[in-house]
Amino acid sequence: QKEVEQDPGPLSVPEGAIVSLNCTYSNSAFQYFMWYRQYSRKGPELLMYTYSSGNKEDGRFTAQVDKSSKYISLFIRDSQPSDSATYLCAMTPDSNYQLIWGAGTKLIIKP
Amino acid sequence: DGGITQSPKYLFRKEGQNVTLSCEQNLNHDAMYWYRQDPGQGLRLIYYSQIVNDFQKGDIAEGYSVSREKKESFPLTVTSAQKNPTAFYLCASSILGGLNTEAFFGQGTRLTVV
Repeated sequence: QKEVEQDPGPLSVPEGAIVSLNCTYSNSAFQYFMWYRQYSRKGPELLMYTYSSGNKEDGRFTAQVDKSSKYISLFIRDSQPSDSATYLCAMTPDSNYQLIWGAGTKLIIKP
Repeated sequence: DGGITQSPKYLFRKEGQNVTLSCEQNLNHDAMYWYRQDPGQGLRLIYYSQIVNDFQKGDIAEGYSVSREKKESFPLTVTSAQKNPTAFYLCASSILGGLNTEAFFGQGTRLTVV
């Protein structure tokens, strides 16, 4: 079993829909949780970052961490075609430790 | 502009050849990483380095080698021992310590065996 599980998709939704992307993990020591966005043939870039539990909002994006369930989510409101990309979750127990990555979910927003 | 530069963007290798992928950063980051990305498998760590002249194997180091002679540079050599080298290779860097764990990525090198 992988430490971090993420459905690779693709997930296809119409423009304007609310998108929910998720990862589950097995290591209860994880404290730092990140979502990266990767456009085709490009390097990933950090989208959202959360330390420990709770919610974090940035514009149309909301990141949630539920440590009791070992489950993290990224919500995208009013989705746009430009949001079409692969979204990777990453997490680590310690800022001096390497990141552990999910497989990435390919998201397609249809105009 | 600060960032990470990978070169070349596309690379073709013949069977039995070694090739070296370049990664340079001007972010003054201590840590640098090499990842391999295959469809549906996310990022797999090949090697990482937290300090000059020191590096550690990641999950899939076999058939690869690295060096860290300068803080800014972390080249990756794909040797002939790597049996399936066709993939997208990503270099990243980060600072160590504190609450900031953000990894900054280059634009990647796509390696194809011909």
